[in-house]
Amino acid sequence: DTEVTQTPKHLVMGMTNKKSLKCEQHMGHRAMYWYKQKAKKPPELMFVYSYEKLSINESVPSRFSPECPNSSLLNLHLHALQPEDSALYLCASSQEGGGGGDQPQHFGDGTRLSIL
Amino acid sequence: DQQVKQNSPSLSVQEGRISILNCDYTNSMFDYFLWYKKYPAEGPTFLISISSIKDKNEDGRFTVFLNKSAKHLSLHIVPSQPGDSAVYFCAASPPGSGNTGKLIFGQGTTLQVKP
Repeated sequence: DTEVTQTPKHLVMGMTNKKSLKCEQHMGHRAMYWYKQKAKKPPELMFVYSYEKLSINESVPSRFSPECPNSSLLNLHLHALQPEDSALYLCASSQEGGGGGDQPQHFGDGTRLSIL
Repeated sequence: DQQVKQNSPSLSVQEGRISILNCDYTNSMFDYFLWYKKYPAEGPTFLISISSIKDKNEDGRFTVFLNKSAKHLSLHIVPSQPGDSAVYFCAASPPGSGNTGKLIFGQGTTLQVKP
């Protein structure tokens, strides 16, 4: 059982829709991450929140808007997505912003997003 | 420019034998190296890591070896079990990422352990 919970598991949306992906962890971690993963590719980092503040934005298009309402929750708001945005979106958390070997990142099972 | 490379897309091993998964990197300043395992329809699961100041770390059936001069690390699984069949990702923590958590992942190797 994963300790990082992502909802929904699957999402199909049109290019004009607005939707949100949600992520929750109750491990007391203070760093949370959004990744995008295409088929047969490694996860690609999108955003990092450390102590509820955005610390990394990997030049992600503005149609993706992250939000960290509190230390346990992380949202990714989606608007006007393109078909190439179809992918698995993974959320992760770690104790601090390290994410290195001493503070590994724990991943959720992801949201499979399809853009029509 | 791929800083972390896993050159073998797939590996097939008989149950009970050793599985060796390899990873090469280009940046000698990486702080930590990590291995993650991923089953279909699940997120990656952390397996084991190694600091750049060490050359070996062992956890049960899993051992990671680091050869800094060759910029190469490997994950050994002994003995291999059918439940180990998954995609294995090597990841590295770039210098200065201690406060950001940035990881760079390799392309992954699909391991199949045959009964």
